[in-house]
Amino acid sequence: GDSVTQMEGPVTLSEEAFLTINCTYTATGYPSLFWYVQYPGEGLQLLLKATKADDKGSNKGFEATYRKETTSFHLEKGSVQVSDSAVYFCALSDITGGGNKLTFGTGTQLKVEL
Amino acid sequence: DTGVSQDPRHKITKRGQNVTFRCDPISEHNRLYWYRQTLGQGPEFLTYFQNEAQLEKSRLLSDRFSAERPKGSFSTLEIQRTEQGDSAMYLCASSLAAGGLYEQYFGPGTRLTVT
Repeated sequence: GDSVTQMEGPVTLSEEAFLTINCTYTATGYPSLFWYVQYPGEGLQLLLKATKADDKGSNKGFEATYRKETTSFHLEKGSVQVSDSAVYFCALSDITGGGNKLTFGTGTQLKVEL
Repeated sequence: DTGVSQDPRHKITKRGQNVTFRCDPISEHNRLYWYRQTLGQGPEFLTYFQNEAQLEKSRLLSDRFSAERPKGSFSTLEIQRTEQGDSAMYLCASSLAAGGLYEQYFGPGTRLTVT
């Protein structure tokens, strides 16, 4: 079945540091890929998405590129802020089944310090 | 657009009791999903509805779990004879299935604690 693997956290960075959170996936079909973010005490929010190979999703300074050849969708940000501290989830949705259910990774906690 | 809402936000119950959660999706969304999230894990799919029809159920959804969406609007998730292993965050999401990618929008969740 489909699965998503993320790097384990927590990841602790200083403000203005470069961020990479690795995500790889396994899917039988041709999935769409997502990053969701969960701030403390809040629900999941869609951060960015990509629907086909070589697509780049971007939002709020975060970027991720759909790499079919390496089955990866790594999240990057050039300069993190304290307000980026949250848990980040990589997810895929295989629309070939019609249901669009999401398969999530285990999440990576990011802590940004001054 | 008020977003997806869930009620209650927290529920503490004793083992063996029944509990029911409610989800109100974004008003124009025709798909509604339930997920379960345990501590330190990502959400896991439980079931989804298109309008009032329940189209898929995960094997995680044991016979003690039942979900309904009677008029294609709000949904309820009931757990009968709760067990300590049912303690988790229950998340609801909704989407508009109208061609292309169906982005899911999540509610704040209901945290269930079974004592």
